[in-house]
Amino acid sequence: AQKVTQAQTEISVVEKEDVTLDCVYETRDTTYYLFWYKQPPSGELVFLIRRNSFDEQNEISGRYSWNFQKSTSSFNFTITASQVVDSAVYFCALKETSGSRLTFGEGTQLTVNP
Amino acid sequence: GAGVSQSPSNKVTEKGKDVELRCDPISGHTALYWYRQSLGQGLEFLIYFQGNSAPDKSGLPSDRFSAERTGGSVSTLTIQRTQQEDSAVYLCASSLSQSRDTQYFGPGTRLTVL
Repeated sequence: AQKVTQAQTEISVVEKEDVTLDCVYETRDTTYYLFWYKQPPSGELVFLIRRNSFDEQNEISGRYSWNFQKSTSSFNFTITASQVVDSAVYFCALKETSGSRLTFGEGTQLTVNP
Repeated sequence: GAGVSQSPSNKVTEKGKDVELRCDPISGHTALYWYRQSLGQGLEFLIYFQGNSAPDKSGLPSDRFSAERTGGSVSTLTIQRTQQEDSAVYLCASSLSQSRDTQYFGPGTRLTVL
């Protein structure tokens, strides 16, 4: 069965610090997709990125970057030069191609202090 | 374009009453999903629709929960004889298709059962 683990329940940083959110997953499927979603205080889940299991190339989008390593079953998310607006709960999720559901981690509450 | 919409945004009900939650997916999205987010259980999958049929209902917690989708668009999640443990945020998501597409979430309905 699939599982996603986000070991960091809460992280608190000061503005402009870099921060990395960890995500480790388990799956028996050889083909799957990994996602990161952001949930700000307003509550809506906002899609950030999707990664296919056959594409291990890391990705950078502005201040955000993602490090996908199949060998360690990890898909970590780094925010560079954090800002107060980055404060939110961040969820990592897994979708196996054989199934329909997203399996979410427990989420990491990130607080960026001014 | 318009995103996923859900109504009502908040619902307070008394134990034992029935409630209906509505989801309007992104236009053209054939796949629709319901999830539940509660403090103790995190984000849980409930049901998946492809068109008007529900190939995966495995996440529905009891027979008090049911859902339907009509015209390949709007979906209604019904909870009969509500219990206090049903209190949660009910999230709807849609995607272009099931197998590989990103799920986009609505703002959710916060259900409180007194």
